[in-house]
Amino acid sequence: QVTLNESGPALVKPTQTLTLTCTFSGFSLSTTGMRVSWIRQPPGKALEWLARIDWDDDKFYSTSLKTRLTISKDTSKNQVVLTMTNMDPVDTATYYCARMQYCSNTSCSGYWFDPWGQGILVTVSA
Amino acid sequence: DIQMTQSPSSLSASVGDRVTITCRASQSISSYLNWYQQKPGKAPKLLIYAASSLQSGVPSRFSGSGSGTDFTLTISSLRPEDFATYYCQQSYITQWTFGQGTKVEIK
Repeated sequence: QVTLNESGPALVKPTQTLTLTCTFSGFSLSTTGMRVSWIRQPPGKALEWLARIDWDDDKFYSTSLKTRLTISKDTSKNQVVLTMTNMDPVDTATYYCARMQYCSNTSCSGYWFDPWGQGILVTVSA
Repeated sequence: DIQMTQSPSSLSASVGDRVTITCRASQSISSYLNWYQQKPGKAPKLLIYAASSLQSGVPSRFSGSGSGTDFTLTISSLRPEDFATYYCQQSYITQWTFGQGTKVEIK
């Protein structure tokens, strides 16, 4: 069974750096084809993809947030870490990590997020 | 980025109703379209991937169709546990984007 769990501070001050950890089980990020993403959701709003890291350490970022984000992995601990610099109240959101699945054949195509962690609400306030 | 637009933003329906939610992409995305269900205070759950493939364990009353720019999620007979918000998501380009959500409420 694949599970993911986000951890980190519930409250950060404006201009601070946020560090979130995704601890997972049921798969290894050293296995070919494994990928993990971070997605966030401001209260009452839609989902926004933030970053992705692959088994081979390839990294991808949201173009709008690229300058503020860093994603990394610790394969031995089954963890993925996301840092976001210069936090602002508009960054208040629930932050989720999710495993990514992929297929490319005659019957299916693309990437999807499954499963997701339970999420962590991060509030940015002085 | 590819913009995903869902309609309606919300709907009221009764148990047993057939419900259809539409998702339109700002450019063609072939079949690179997924659907998620989210209940209040919970993480999204994958329902449909690659436009029409039902995720394992998801009831068969859920179905997806479409390709190119226009997609639909259909619930054939609404059950009480289906009242939730539904999101579409494109994976055609790496800047993955979601629709704004469709909230399905009890009539």
